[in-house]
Amino acid sequence: DIVMTQSPDSLAVSLGERATINCKSSQSVLWRSNNKNYLAWYQQKPGQPPKLLIYWASTRESGVPDRFNGSGSDTDFTLTISSLQAEDVAVYFCQQYFSSPPFFGQGTKLEIK
Amino acid sequence: EVQLLESGGGLAQPGGSLRLSCAASGFSISAYGMSWVRQAPGKGLEWVSGISGSGDSTYYADSVKGRFTISRDNSKNTLYLQMNSLRADDTGVYYCARRYTYSTSWHPDAFNIWGQGTMVTVSS
Repeated sequence: DIVMTQSPDSLAVSLGERATINCKSSQSVLWRSNNKNYLAWYQQKPGQPPKLLIYWASTRESGVPDRFNGSGSDTDFTLTISSLQAEDVAVYFCQQYFSSPPFFGQGTKLEIK
Repeated sequence: EVQLLESGGGLAQPGGSLRLSCAASGFSISAYGMSWVRQAPGKGLEWVSGISGSGDSTYYADSVKGRFTISRDNSKNTLYLQMNSLRADDTGVYYCARRYTYSTSWHPDAFNIWGQGTMVTVSS
């Protein structure tokens, strides 16, 4: 199994500041034949299901604000929120879909400082 | 509007059974591989099971293999999860989820459509 590890477990950032969440995979999730990283990011607010933010490591899902950016390749990935808004308070998960089973990171809880 | 609506959760005793349902609207589940994903209280997300659009191919996490069975009734546009020999660590919210890619096969994928979830509690 490809295991995903996120850091930090929790994060407090001031409104308008940058938030950075890291995700590391135990093996590469880069498919070299198409040069795509099989990595997604989700946002989950209390009492709600996860919401897909980013897929292919850096492609924003339709309707997701452009302050959310995904980057990285191979085994190391980052989700950056460029200017934190109050509505961004949530738990964020990364997920690999390179191989079965699809595996999620443990989550990073983002709060306002 | 594309939606998934789970039902069937509740309280079960250890060793007992439950059957979850996931009714889809706004799209045909036969066109997509579908999955069940669960979340223990206050914990992260765990993929549980997946099924192809035709239902011919099924996949399970090691933690549920031999105890859970995924199925679908495309005529009812509904996905199911039969859960037997339930254990306390099966407790959590169970979500059905649609793979991002328009494909009848099941393959690991991002999930872009999620239901609201149904709570399963296994306790004596």
